[in-house]
Amino acid sequence: DIVMTQSPVSLSVTPGEPASISCSSSQSLLHHDGNNYLDWYLQKPGQSPQLLIYLGSNRASGVPDRFSGSGSGTDFTLKISRVEAEDVGIYYCMQPLQTPLTFGGGTKVEIK
Amino acid sequence: EMQLVESGGGLVQPGGSLRLSCVASGFPFSSYSMFWVRQVPGKGLLWVSRISHDGSSTTYADSVKGRFTISRDNDNNTLYLQMHSLRAEDTAVYYCARPFYPFYYIDVWGKGTTVTVSS
Repeated sequence: DIVMTQSPVSLSVTPGEPASISCSSSQSLLHHDGNNYLDWYLQKPGQSPQLLIYLGSNRASGVPDRFSGSGSGTDFTLKISRVEAEDVGIYYCMQPLQTPLTFGGGTKVEIK
Repeated sequence: EMQLVESGGGLVQPGGSLRLSCVASGFPFSSYSMFWVRQVPGKGLLWVSRISHDGSSTTYADSVKGRFTISRDNDNNTLYLQMHSLRAEDTAVYYCARPFYPFYYIDVWGKGTTVTVSS
């Protein structure tokens, strides 16, 4: 199984300041089709997860451009350029490259 | 609007059985593979199972293999998860989820149904 490791476990951010979350995988997520099979999800309090970023760096429909994803192979980063109050929740990375699909342990983002 | 609505959760004794359902709407259900994903309260996400668009192929997490069966009824836009030999560690919110082919990112999630395994 591919193990996904996220850091930090939690993050407290001042509104308007940037935030960064790291995700590493135990195997490369770079497919021979040239895509990195790494997605980012945000689970807001009391809600289901929602897709933020797919294939490493593509913003999902309706996701604000303050969210960006980068990385390749085994190391990936989600950046929020200017955190807003509505960004609180738990962020998960996930690899859909092979079954079992696996998630990172999550990063809880709070507002200072 | 694309929607997934789960039902069937509840309280069940260890060793018992339960069948979850998920009704899909707003998209051509029969064209998509589907997933079940679960989340222990306060914990992370765990992928449970996948079924192909026509039901011919299924895959399971090791933790549920041999106990859970995923199936679907494309005529009624419904996904199922039959769970047997339930254990306390199966207690979780179970989400129905639609992966977007061919990249398998999950772009539609249900609100979840809660399964509690306890005596």
